Amino acid sequence: QVQLRESGPGLVKPSETLSLICSVSGDSITNFYWSWIRQPAGKGLEWIGRIEASGSVTTNYNPSLKSRVTMSADTSKNQFSLKLTSVSAADTAVYYCVRQHSFYYHTTGYYYSRFDSWGQGILVTVSS
Amino acid sequence: DIQMTQSPSSLSASVGDRVTITCRASQNINNYLNWYQQKSGKAPKLLMSAASSLLSGVPSRFSGSGSGTEFTLTISGLQPDDLAYYYCQQSYTTPWTFGQGTKVEIK
Repeated sequence: QVQLRESGPGLVKPSETLSLICSVSGDSITNFYWSWIRQPAGKGLEWIGRIEASGSVTTNYNPSLKSRVTMSADTSKNQFSLKLTSVSAADTAVYYCVRQHSFYYHTTGYYYSRFDSWGQGILVTVSS
Repeated sequence: DIQMTQSPSSLSASVGDRVTITCRASQNINNYLNWYQQKSGKAPKLLMSAASSLLSGVPSRFSGSGSGTEFTLTISGLQPDDLAYYYCQQSYTTPWTFGQGTKVEIK
């Protein structure tokens, strides 16, 4: 059973950099894709980006955040991380690290991607 | 980006009722559609993939249908434990996008 846990500062000042780490147990981060998703209080879910670290590390970012986001992986620690620069109050949210898994659906014969395992989430508040 | 629109935004129903939530995509996503349940203070939980494939362990009262741009999540026989927000999410192309959520309340 894979488990994910987010860690990092719960308070970040405006214009500074938000840095979070996701520690994964029960699975290797060299398997699957791993994403960050955030949720402002009382609002919906926003996909931030994903990382794949099976060989050369590849990343995909949401274009809406791409200029400010960097994701990286430390396979020796089985962790991946998120950095979001130049934060503002609009970045205040619960941040989740999530496993993205592809499964084969025999009915159609195709593979489908889904977010199947989530961390508990970490609230990050941007405030001076 | 593909926009996902859910309706209604909230609903209130009695235990045992049949409840239907609709999710519409701004373009054809075939059946690349996932559903999640989020209870208060918890992370979302995957319910269904490929529009209609129920995850192992999810009660059979949940079902999904649809293809193209219109999808539905149905709860046949609402239970108190179903009190939650429900989100659809397209897995057709990045950036992955979610509906705004539907709040299901119990009368």
